[in-house]
Amino acid sequence: EPEVTQTPSHQVTQMGQEVILRCVPISNHLYFYWYRQILGQKVEFLVSFYNNEISEKSEIFDDQFSVERPDGSNFTLKIRSTKLEDSAMYFCASRLQGRTGELFFGEGSRLTVL
Amino acid sequence: GIQVEQSPPDLILQEGANSTLRCNFSDSVNNLQWFHQNPWGQLINLFYIPSGTKQNGRLSATTVATERYSLLYISSSQTTDSGVYFCAVEEETSGSRLTFGEGTQLTVNP
Repeated sequence: EPEVTQTPSHQVTQMGQEVILRCVPISNHLYFYWYRQILGQKVEFLVSFYNNEISEKSEIFDDQFSVERPDGSNFTLKIRSTKLEDSAMYFCASRLQGRTGELFFGEGSRLTVL
Repeated sequence: GIQVEQSPPDLILQEGANSTLRCNFSDSVNNLQWFHQNPWGQLINLFYIPSGTKQNGRLSATTVATERYSLLYISSSQTTDSGVYFCAVEEETSGSRLTFGEGTQLTVNP
């Protein structure tokens, strides 16, 4: 069964460093998403992406964050200068259609900022 | 934005017991999904169920969209069912984001 894959599964970084989290969505999906979950809290929407541009973003997704689809398969989330409060689990998701249908989530990338 | 309330927040069961988890939402939705978050933090898709009833093994789910709630049933629970169960909905009228509830922390004891 097709699945969304994410790398790395866990990354530890120093405050102020740049981090790139990578995702490979399901191959025929057109809509891509990043969500974040701070430890012990609920999962929160960060950004949605379609046709090589951001279609929606939350108030959490400030100038420190960016997303990119650098080639036909990868979808990345970049955090330019990490802060302690960026420590969280980051989930990538994808689906075939934009406003209906199931979202398929990856297993997550755990980011720890020291 | 849409509000999602899950109950109970915590649930402790003995192995073999049955349970019902509830998700209430404040507005019309075109997507509702149930997830299980395992102890490693991974989100496991359980059901995509904007309306109707579905079953998968010992788990089943029902969504009554007109009354704005969904139920997740777990029968003959096992210790591996432990974890956090999240309901997530997508508002019909705006945007394309899933809004998650706070989750139900389920502990199944042997």
